[in-house]
Amino acid sequence: QKEVEQDPGPLSVPEGAIVSLNCTYSNSAFQYFMWYRQYSRKGPELLMYTYSSGNKEDGRFTAQVDKSSKYISLFIRDSQPSDSATYLCAMSEVTGAQKLVFGQGTRLTINP
Amino acid sequence: KAGVTQTPRYLIKTRGQQVTLSCSPISGHRSVSWYQQTPGQGLQFLFEYFSETQRNKGNFPGRFSGRQFSNSRSEMNVSTLELGDSALYLCASSLPPTGGDYNEQFFGPGTRLTVL
Repeated sequence: QKEVEQDPGPLSVPEGAIVSLNCTYSNSAFQYFMWYRQYSRKGPELLMYTYSSGNKEDGRFTAQVDKSSKYISLFIRDSQPSDSATYLCAMSEVTGAQKLVFGQGTRLTINP
Repeated sequence: KAGVTQTPRYLIKTRGQQVTLSCSPISGHRSVSWYQQTPGQGLQFLFEYFSETQRNKGNFPGRFSGRQFSNSRSEMNVSTLELGDSALYLCASSLPPTGGDYNEQFFGPGTRLTVL
């Protein structure tokens, strides 16, 4: 079983919909939780990161972490066609450590 | 500010050969990490270098190796290539590790390696 599980999709929704992406994990030592977005033929780019449990909002994006359930989520409001990409969750054990453990990635398509 | 650059962008090799991939981090970034991305396994951590020293290593065979130079540029080498080594190899750089907040890793566009 992988340390981080993420439904690979694909997920297709109409423009303007609220999108919910999720990951579960098994390693209770994870402290930092990130969401990356990867467009085709590009490297991943960081969207948001959260330390420990809680919520974080940035514009149309909201990240949630529930360490008690070992479950993290990313919500995208008012989704746009430009949000079409692969979304990857990633986690890190120790402050400053650069070893990220990624989920499989969810391929998202927003239809105009 | 220039981003992370990786060369070459595409590479085709045959089984048994070896390959060297190069990564130039963002100016001022001294930590460089390497990842392998495949459709089946996703993104997997290979190793991390800081100040020319390997700080972390993932679960990959010894055929995969790397090094970092004094200017923070890094190379990774794969010897005796196998078909399963076909993947996108991504390099990421970040500021020096501290005891404080998370240091964002900035990824390059990757080198796509095809092994025939």
